[in-house]
Amino acid sequence: EAQVTQNPRYLITVTGKKLTVTCSQNMNHEYMSWYRQDPGLGLRQIYYSMNVEVTDKGDVPEGYKVSRKEKRNFPLILESPSPNQTSLYFCASSRKAGGLTGELFFGEGSRLTVL
Amino acid sequence: KNQVEQSPQSLIILEGKNCTLQCNYTVSPFSNLRWYKQDTGRGPVSLTIMTFSENTKSNGRYTATLDADTKQSSLHITASQLSDSASYICVVSGGRRGVTGTASKLTFGTGTRLQVTL
Repeated sequence: EAQVTQNPRYLITVTGKKLTVTCSQNMNHEYMSWYRQDPGLGLRQIYYSMNVEVTDKGDVPEGYKVSRKEKRNFPLILESPSPNQTSLYFCASSRKAGGLTGELFFGEGSRLTVL
Repeated sequence: KNQVEQSPQSLIILEGKNCTLQCNYTVSPFSNLRWYKQDTGRGPVSLTIMTFSENTKSNGRYTATLDADTKQSSLHITASQLSDSASYICVVSGGRRGVTGTASKLTFGTGTRLQVTL
């Protein structure tokens, strides 16, 4: 079954404790992206990757890091989480990056709370 | 500034009734427009994707229209069902050049929250 898998789905952590949210897709997609969703603000892009070892900043990259060492995985790293990073996070992938005419597949989301 | 605005913010309708959700955008250059359905606590799922040359596109009881001249789109839901209760998000794709090359930028609306009741 074609899917985008995120882990963990739920996480409560404390300020400053490094954490990683993993994202994996089994569709051999080139394009992967991370979004955060906050009430009243819609989905906002954090980082995206057009292919292996190719990443770029989205609209709200501050406080986040990513890596793309393999095509299927695109982890989101919070080196020193702060309460304003409490949010619902989504990973998504698409077959191609240029034009993005294809469907964007989303994971089930990871709800992160930073105390 | 690229923006996507949706209306209404929320809507309650009776099961079996029809409804229409609106989306206005200022994204340029325009590549395509998508409608997504997002159930509470779940990831968005694509309903339709329309390019500049497409005026209407259907997916079962969902019909999307696009007027690229006025930069407006609508999503019409026919004979609503309880399972249609969700947020509906309008997303517009436009070109953007990043440091790693050209990739389409998606601008998301904040969604319309639809509740279908008995």
